[in-house]
Formats: sequence, C-alpha cells, structure tokens
Amino acid sequence: QKEVEQNSGPLSVPEGAIASLNCTYSDRGSQSFFWYRQYSGKSPELIMSIYSNGDKEDGRFTAQLNKASQYVSLLIRDSQPSDSATYLCAVTTRTYSSASKIIFGSGTRLSIRP
Amino acid sequence: SQTIHQWPATLVQPVGSPLSLECTVEGTSNPNLYWYRQAAGRGLQLLFYSVGIGQISSEVPQNLSASRPQDRQFILSSKKLLLSDSGFYLCAWSGDRYSNQPQHFGDGTRLSIL
Repeated sequence: QKEVEQNSGPLSVPEGAIASLNCTYSDRGSQSFFWYRQYSGKSPELIMSIYSNGDKEDGRFTAQLNKASQYVSLLIRDSQPSDSATYLCAVTTRTYSSASKIIFGSGTRLSIRP
Repeated sequence: SQTIHQWPATLVQPVGSPLSLECTVEGTSNPNLYWYRQAAGRGLQLLFYSVGIGQISSEVPQNLSASRPQDRQFILSSKKLLLSDSGFYLCAWSGDRYSNQPQHFGDGTRLSIL
C-alpha cells in the first residue's frame, strides 16, 4: 500500500514565527509533490507544487523535497492567524492502468497563536 | 481558465433514499475526474476516478457508483443511502491521463443522512 504520512498535530506556532510541516512517502517512483491548505468546512486549495529535489519558494511559503529520503516539507515564514488550517501533503503515484493518481496524507492541523 | 462546479452545496437525505451529485468542469478537455469523501476530522478517501467518458475505476467497495456521461461531467450516485454515507463529498479534476499535474477541487457537497 503506497502511503503518505503526516503528523496530525495540532501544531501550535506563535504569530510571526516559522511553521514547519513535514511529510514522508513510501513510493520511490513518485514524481510530483503538492501541498494543499484546507480551512475548516472548505475544500482543499493547492498552495505549492514541487517536482525536483531542493527548495521552491513562493511568497511566504517554501517547499522542500528530498527524494533520497522520501521527504517533503513546507515552511511558512512570518506565520499569520489566517494560516491556521489543515495542511495536506499529496504525492502522485501510478496506477495499474498507468493513469496518474494522487495519494493524500491525512493532514497536519496548524494553529497560529497571537 | 479552468473551473469546477459541484452541486448541491448541502444535502440532507433520509436513510434508504437515492443520491445524485453532479460535477462539471469548464475550460479544459479530457480531464481526469475524481470523487472523494471526507468524514468529519478525517483525511480524503478516494472513491472513484475516471480517465475518460464511460471509464470508471472504483477504489472502495460500497453502495455508491459513478458515471461519466460526457467528457467534463462526473456523477456520483446511490440507490439506497446508508448512515455511513454521511460526509463531505469532493469532486476534483487534473490534467490528461499521464500528467503529473495537481488536482483541483470543487467546493464540495456536505451530505447528512438522517
């Protein structure tokens, strides 16, 4: 069973600090990695995509990928109360029919405290 | 730009009643389409995915079914709902069959079974 693992949290971070969210995956053949943000009662929203080893920055968000360690992380700088949400890690995998499919982690709940 | 529409937003149904949830995508052709269910406080459970008209793959045995009568239309159905069918139902789309592109979600349908 191909899996994506995340710490469920809650992760509590003071406002203005850096929030660090981590994810590990089991399928060594995975090629695409995504972070989604889900506010309570809402649908997931894509915030970052990363396809190669290293760091990718977009505003206050930085995604980090290490394929050798099968590890993906998301850093949120200058955390704001509006960042309080559940963050889902997602990894592509191939199905038997060769169609691409995404496996989602169960999510980490992030709470930014004033 | 691509958009995904899902309706209704909220639905309350009695046990044993039928169900039909519809999802349509605009601004793209031949998308991969997906139905997920999310129980309260839980992760995303993939129910069905489709790579083309009439092509449906089922992930979890259950009393639900899916159909794709048109390229950009995906329907989730049940003949008789169970209490356990309550949850947040999400439709999503992604690029063509072999793409490693992310999935994009509709706003979801919150289904309550009485």
